[in-house]
Amino acid sequence: NAGVTQTPKFQVLKTGQSMTLQCAQDMNHEYMSWYRQDPGMGLRLIHYSVGAGITDQGEVPNGYNVSRSTTEDFPLRLLSAAPSQTSVYFCASSYEPVEWPQHFGDGTRLSIL
Amino acid sequence: GQQVMQIPQYQHVQEGEDFTTYCNSSTTLSNIQWYKQRPGGHPVFLIQLVKSGEVKKQKRLTFQFGEAKKNSSLHITATQTTDVGTYFCAGRGGGADGLTFGKGTHLIIQP
Repeated sequence: NAGVTQTPKFQVLKTGQSMTLQCAQDMNHEYMSWYRQDPGMGLRLIHYSVGAGITDQGEVPNGYNVSRSTTEDFPLRLLSAAPSQTSVYFCASSYEPVEWPQHFGDGTRLSIL
Repeated sequence: GQQVMQIPQYQHVQEGEDFTTYCNSSTTLSNIQWYKQRPGGHPVFLIQLVKSGEVKKQKRLTFQFGEAKKNSSLHITATQTTDVGTYFCAGRGGGADGLTFGKGTHLIIQP
């Protein structure tokens, strides 16, 4: 039982490059979400999905796109990376958005030069 | 939008001392969750509180949910070096989907 798997674990990009952060879960969770974590800022919600085919914006969605074609996968796309997107990105999943524990992946540490 | 404020941002304690972190929401919360993140790790779920005035204990950790469901606290008795990390509260309120996390309290323990 792998839980929530994020790839890659580390990535360095140049400004303007595009990239997809992968997130997969094997717990049949309907709810999945992406957070970014910056020093002193806690965890901020980027996008979330309450089921396949349904996505919505969180607190800081600008510069990021998501899709949810299957229950298992929820990739996060950076279309044109900017230095302000340097951060640690966490994917999380749960049975429901709020009333169930969130299971987090190990994170992707992304640096944009 | 909903805000979840957490204090203090940092707390230095001697090993064996107690520790408390406080969480306050601008709106009434349907529930509140607490997470712990070790340095370099990912957040790990600790507990969820749902009822007004609820108190739950996990060994040396005591969690409380306020009567108005707008505040919560985590108290650790006799801290140990294994308690080092950042403690986050998270909740939803005001009809918004998705969890809102506080900025966390970093617990630093001096042996």
